[in-house]
Amino acid sequence: GAGVSQSPRYKVAKRGQDVALRCDPISGHVSLFWYQQALGQGPEFLTYFQNEAQLDKSGLPSDRFFAERPEGSVSTLKIQRTQQEDSAVYLCASSSHAGAPYNEQFFGPGTRLTVL
Amino acid sequence: KQEVTQIPAALSVPEGENLVLNCSFTDSAIYNLQWFRQDPGKGLTSLLLIQSSQREQTSGRLNASLDKSSGRSTLYIAASQPGDSATYLCAVGSSNTGKLIFGQGTTLQVKP
Repeated sequence: GAGVSQSPRYKVAKRGQDVALRCDPISGHVSLFWYQQALGQGPEFLTYFQNEAQLDKSGLPSDRFFAERPEGSVSTLKIQRTQQEDSAVYLCASSSHAGAPYNEQFFGPGTRLTVL
Repeated sequence: KQEVTQIPAALSVPEGENLVLNCSFTDSAIYNLQWFRQDPGKGLTSLLLIQSSQREQTSGRLNASLDKSSGRSTLYIAASQPGDSATYLCAVGSSNTGKLIFGQGTTLQVKP
């Protein structure tokens, strides 16, 4: 497709369940970002990949959060033992360049995660 | 630590008005600044990207300016339309990885 796609669009999980969120970036884009957006807030950075290498994971809130991009294209964000505070929209973005300063990011529609 | 603030948090205007949305940031050492639009329940649509060496960018009825020294950017919307109703987010790229630091957004309502 022409844009960034994410699946599922909506996910409801019971507290304690594991979830996996998928991101398909724009074809050929080197950089991939994950952000978390709580209700009424701006997105907050979680992690960054340059091709298959995870170069920055400083925004991951706990060791229950894990992300991978094994072949440098599709990425998966996994949350283990979900908690209610994990409820948010998870946004994926990609960029054709590696790093700043030419880094216009294109965002997917997001996955809305609700933890009951 | 870079912090981004957007004022006002919400704005309601009649159709046809020209308006300005404000964004401020605490650390002037930035690579770029990007303005996005977000419709309810949707992802982010990129509106304008300003590199640190630039002063402004224009796209149609939108004009964004950047003043690094004062830590400010403005998004100017000319002749507002009801279809412009959305949340507008400002984001600063101040890391060499390209990660963005976002403000909390300004929710705009344009009344017919």
